[in-house]
Amino acid sequence: GAVVSQHPSRVICKSGTSVKIECRSLDFQATTMFWYRQFPKKSLMLMATSNEGSKATYEQGVEKDKFLINHASLTLSTLTVTSAHPEDSSFYICSARITGYGYTFGSGTRLTVV
Amino acid sequence: GNSVTQMEGPVTLSEEAFLTINCTYTATGYPSLFWYVQYPGEGLQLLLKATKADDKGSNKGFEATYRKETTSFHLEKGSVQVSDSAVYFCALSPNAGNNRKLIWGLGTSLAVNP
Repeated sequence: GAVVSQHPSRVICKSGTSVKIECRSLDFQATTMFWYRQFPKKSLMLMATSNEGSKATYEQGVEKDKFLINHASLTLSTLTVTSAHPEDSSFYICSARITGYGYTFGSGTRLTVV
Repeated sequence: GNSVTQMEGPVTLSEEAFLTINCTYTATGYPSLFWYVQYPGEGLQLLLKATKADDKGSNKGFEATYRKETTSFHLEKGSVQVSDSAVYFCALSPNAGNNRKLIWGLGTSLAVNP
């Protein structure tokens, strides 16, 4: 149980376009979703915390207009990278906190902007 | 504030060697402690956890004991396999406060040679 399904696993897009990454909780309700970015051979950097039905809370230094997070339902949270540039290329991971269980993670999305 | 310090890698071992990856933490109160593993090209998986002092988490031959007196949560395995090659992350979750973001160590890369 407690599975977060993240799609797509890999995406290549052209510079200037937008890309949407989806995370769905398959067998539980995710009231809180965390979005991370991971640089090569680096730890995870928390980008933002989203709560269902409210605006996301962004970490310092993360551009909220560039990384749009929507958490419109208890089973779906999305991250949209707008006007992507090569420096946005990275591995993006979502995570949900489950009361009494801990945290479960999506399988990640490898974004390459060309 | 809360922080996690993890030994730097990379760690390279021969198959069947003993593994220790050190992790120490700073936290107010009584956090929960986690070890996550990330296999190449994949997302994170919970390896083990401990929620209170003296708890021992164990899974797949890995163990870690929550030591409050030394504020440590070292990961150990008696005999590593090639399939254990991955990046290992130590993390803590405060047991109070809103959202309870995970605080991450920088990760330790493990390579096991046959």
